[in-house]
Amino acid sequence: QQQVKQSPQSLIVQKGGISIINCAYENTAFDYFPWYQQFPGKGPALLIAIRPDVSEKKEGRFTISFNKSAKQFSLHIMDSQPGDSATYFCAASRGSTLGRLYFGRGTQLTVWP
Amino acid sequence: SQTIHQWPATLVQPVGSPLSLECTVEGTSNPNLYWYRQAAGRGLQLLFYSVGIGQISSEVPQNLSASRPQDRQFILSSKKLLLSDSGFYLCAWSVGTATEAFFGQGTRLTVV
Repeated sequence: QQQVKQSPQSLIVQKGGISIINCAYENTAFDYFPWYQQFPGKGPALLIAIRPDVSEKKEGRFTISFNKSAKQFSLHIMDSQPGDSATYFCAASRGSTLGRLYFGRGTQLTVWP
Repeated sequence: SQTIHQWPATLVQPVGSPLSLECTVEGTSNPNLYWYRQAAGRGLQLLFYSVGIGQISSEVPQNLSASRPQDRQFILSSKKLLLSDSGFYLCAWSVGTATEAFFGQGTRLTVV
């Protein structure tokens, strides 16, 4: 059973546009929600993360929006660049489980120049 | 700084052959260690995790096993590989109660 559902599966955005990836979860015990960026043939790298006590977190061009009541969170990439082309994974974990992550299936982002 | 090493980067093995993938972490003590598998279109699935030497927990039943013979060494093994074991295997680590997990570069395993 997929504990974190991610959409869309693929996304094509023009350079300078906004990329939006959405995730939803069911387990209300989750209390940590990271996003990972993965380039082909490489391991995922932590991009940005949020905890449910805040509704938004911004780091540079990357913003996580979190809706606790709807059990949804999303990644916004502002001013998308060709170098942002990668696969993005959302994930969730419980603080009591020491970093064990439940991942979405990933979104392949392509940014056209 | 902490680094994680995983090898080999790619591996092609025949069905029924054994498997041993190794992961080591440098720059930290007593890390929590994880093995994930990434199948095409299915995201990353946690296979095993370990909070200390000799302590292994399995998340899903499968044809694989894991061992942690040293504090910073995590090994993924199989006695007889199946075609369905093909995938991208990733080792990861975290420290203490921190929830951030950091990944190695992965091993692409193809079972033929």
